[in-house]
Amino acid sequence: AQSVTQPDIHITVSEGASLELRCNYSYGATPYLFWYVQSPGQGLQLLLKYFSGDTLVQGIKGFEAEFKRSQSSFNLRKPSVHWSDAAEYFCAVGANTGNQFYFGTGTSLTVIP
Amino acid sequence: SAVISQKPSRDICQRGTSLTIQCQVDSQVTMMFWYRQQPGQSLTLIATANQGSEATYESGFVIDKFPISRPNLTFSTLTVSNMSPEDSSIYLCSVRQSMRQPQHFGDGTRLSIL
Repeated sequence: AQSVTQPDIHITVSEGASLELRCNYSYGATPYLFWYVQSPGQGLQLLLKYFSGDTLVQGIKGFEAEFKRSQSSFNLRKPSVHWSDAAEYFCAVGANTGNQFYFGTGTSLTVIP
Repeated sequence: SAVISQKPSRDICQRGTSLTIQCQVDSQVTMMFWYRQQPGQSLTLIATANQGSEATYESGFVIDKFPISRPNLTFSTLTVSNMSPEDSSIYLCSVRQSMRQPQHFGDGTRLSIL
């Protein structure tokens, strides 16, 4: 069965430090992969997406993610975190057949001064 | 990407009542979805809203509790019926234009039941 795992429930980083949020997926074919961010009181905003091609994808707000097929991973990275990046981050897998999206349980990011 | 407007943005309701949530999109979209996000949790798909036909519900969700309408390609409603405190959640409308497109979300409706 398809699934998405975000191993880190909560991460705390200092402002200016680098960030990596982990995402592992289980899917029988080449997946469509996404990262979303949810700030308090907001809906989900798309950060970046991967469908095919270059395995390193750039997104908004300085984020990037790398698709590693051998590790079934799609980790999100940012070289220097800003206080405004504090939010909940969700990794998602989209089936390339059918409508279903599978969301991870989310990683809550706290940024300390 | 499509601009998605949800109304109301939040509400506090009495037990046993019903609330209808509206989702308006600024362009025609193929796929519309309704999700529930319980406090501190991830997203759970309630149903796919099908234009001109009955919605397709996920396991654990039924039409009597969550009736959905989709009269056209830009609008859908979700009703939460006979509410109980367990229905206190964020309800999110989402759209997807095609299989090779991501889902885009509205800001959600924050619902509290007393």
